Amino acid sequence: GQQLNQSPQSMFIQEGEDVSMNCTSSSIFNTWLWYKQDPGEGPVLLIALYKAGELTSNGRLTAQFGITRKDSFLNISASIPSDVGIYFCAGPREGSQGNLIFGKGTKLSVKP
Amino acid sequence: EPEVTQTPSHQVTQMGQEVILRCVPISNHLYFYWYRQILGQKVEFLVSFYNNEISEKSEIFDDQFSVERPDGSNFTLKIRSTKLEDSAMYFCASSGDRNQPQHFGDGTRLSIL
Repeated sequence: GQQLNQSPQSMFIQEGEDVSMNCTSSSIFNTWLWYKQDPGEGPVLLIALYKAGELTSNGRLTAQFGITRKDSFLNISASIPSDVGIYFCAGPREGSQGNLIFGKGTKLSVKP
Repeated sequence: EPEVTQTPSHQVTQMGQEVILRCVPISNHLYFYWYRQILGQKVEFLVSFYNNEISEKSEIFDDQFSVERPDGSNFTLKIRSTKLEDSAMYFCASSGDRNQPQHFGDGTRLSIL
C-alpha cells in the first residue's frame, strides 16, 4: 500500500543551524502536508502544498512539493530551541475521501 | 484561533470495559476523523465521518469501535470492550472540506490495564 518514508529519523543540531528533512513515496500524492508534534500534544499543521513544484514558506519554515509528486522537503532556517519536536509529513490516501497517511516522523533536537 | 478540543486528556480503563472519547470539532467544519498513535509509532487513520455517517474506515476500526455525533457539536469514539492493544493516543481531527487540511486536537491518552 501507499507509504511515506521520512528521513532522517532524528537530528541533533545546534541552535542557529538550518535543518532539512524530506519525505518520499513510491506513489503520487496530490497534496503534501507537514505537521509538527510536541510531546503530549496533537499534530499542528505547519504547511500545506497542493501543486507540483510549489514552494511555500511559513516564517522560518519552507516546504516544497516535488515535481514528480513523489516527494517533499521541509527546511527550517536558523533553528531555535522551540523547534524541538517531531515533524511528520502526511498526504491523503489515494482513492480515499481525505483520510491521511503519515510518515514515521523526523525527531528534531536543538542544543542551545 | 478555533481549535479541536478533546476530553479527557488521559483515560485509564480496565480491559474489557467500554470507553467513550469525546471531541468538539471546529464549529464550521463538516468532516470529522479519528486517528490513533501507538507510543513511538506513526499516526494511523481509524475512521472518517461526514453528513452523519461513516464515510471511510480502516481495518483497525472493527466491530468494537463506533462513532457518533450525538448533537451539533460533539463527535465521539466508543470502544465497546477494550483490549490491551487499544492503549494509544487517540486524535480527533476536522476539516471544512475533504480537500482542506485537517486540524487535530491534543488527543486522549488511553491506557488499558
